[in-house]
Order: sequence, then structure tokens, then C-alpha cells
Amino acid sequence: EAGVTQSPTHLIKTRGQQATLRCSPISGHTSVYWYQQALGLGLQFLLWYDEGEERNRGNFPPRFSGRQFPNYSSELNVNALELEDSALYLCASRGQGVETQYFGPGTRLLVL
Amino acid sequence: GNSVTQMEGPVTLSEEAFLTINCTYTATGYPSLFWYVQYPGEGLQLLLKATKADDKGSNKGFEATYRKETTSFHLEKGSVQVSDSAVYFCALPVAGGTSYGKLTFGQGTILTVHP
Repeated sequence: EAGVTQSPTHLIKTRGQQATLRCSPISGHTSVYWYQQALGLGLQFLLWYDEGEERNRGNFPPRFSGRQFPNYSSELNVNALELEDSALYLCASRGQGVETQYFGPGTRLLVL
Repeated sequence: GNSVTQMEGPVTLSEEAFLTINCTYTATGYPSLFWYVQYPGEGLQLLLKATKADDKGSNKGFEATYRKETTSFHLEKGSVQVSDSAVYFCALPVAGGTSYGKLTFGQGTILTVHP
């Protein structure tokens, strides 16, 4: 069974640009979570999507947004990039009725 | 809401040494508890989990027991290897309702094992 996949693996942008990160959950999983892991820091919850809707978001500005598609894949968009947005962005998926989340390999975003 | 406190690192050990990484939690009810591992340059992998009190999760020689009396879920391994060098995260669900399934993580413990 394929795990969670994310693309691209690395992304380099300049300040003010927009970044789009993609995530495909494990087959059958309907929930997708996004986390940010900045250098030297722990994981910060960003967004939760389930059944195509945003269910919860963490303490991040509105320029962090996303969506979930009918096939349950998800996209994270970061507008007006700032230097401090440089981080590893992790996506996780979860099946219905269970608590275990499975993570993808992450997208490493570098903002210059 | 639920929270987790993880021992601060980094932890440096010699190969074949015994490992303990402490994790304590505060929670309403008895949520599942998790240990995740992050190898250098990679995402998180589920290492083990326990879903109820007194459960012992185990995987790859690692073990952790869900102890409600001490609200702890310490990670142990009897004999570490160089390949165990990674960052280890303790985690549990935040709560139900709109936060269902959302995990809160400890700050992570960096483990380095020397030959």
C-alpha cells in the first residue's frame, strides 16, 4: 500500500512569491493534516481537511491556505512568502474513526 | 486541551547502551499515545502506539507502556544502534470535536548514537 506522498520534495522561492505544496493521502484516508516544522522547532499544526472541507486551522496568518480535492488529495498555498516561512512542511493522513496519522516525507521550502 | 511534555535533549549514547526518553502527558480521558521518529532529512514515521492504559507498544526493539498512574509514556530500548540516531517525538490527540484527530507533539528529542 502506497504511503502519503508529497511534492515537490524541495522548493526555492523568493520573498513575496507564492508557493504551492501538494499531498496525496493513503488510499481510503479522508483526513489530511498539514504541519510546519521550522528549523530547530517542533511541529506546528497548520490545517486540517476532511471530506473536502477545512475543519480546523492553527495559529497561522490567512496567507496560509489550502484545499482538499474530491479524491482527498490536498494543496497548501502560501502567499506573500516571508523568510521565516522557510521550513519543512509535512502532510499527514488519517482514516475515518481512527486516531493514527501517517506522514509523508515533507516538502522543504526555502525562501530567499 | 491535552498536552505532552518530553524530556529535553540532545541525548548522546554509545552503541549498545540503554535508552530512555521520558514523556509525560496531560489529558482528558485516556487518549491514544504515540511515538514518532524522524530520521535525518526525512518526514515522521510512526514508531509505536498504545491505545489504552497499561498497553505496551513495541516496534524495532523500542517499547513504551501507557501508564495512567504516572501519566507517562516513556520510550525505551535495551541496546541502541548507530542507525537509531534520529529525532523522537511523543504525541497524543488534542481533543475531540473540531480538533478530532489533531495531534499535539512534544518538542522532540535528538538522539545520537556513536559506534
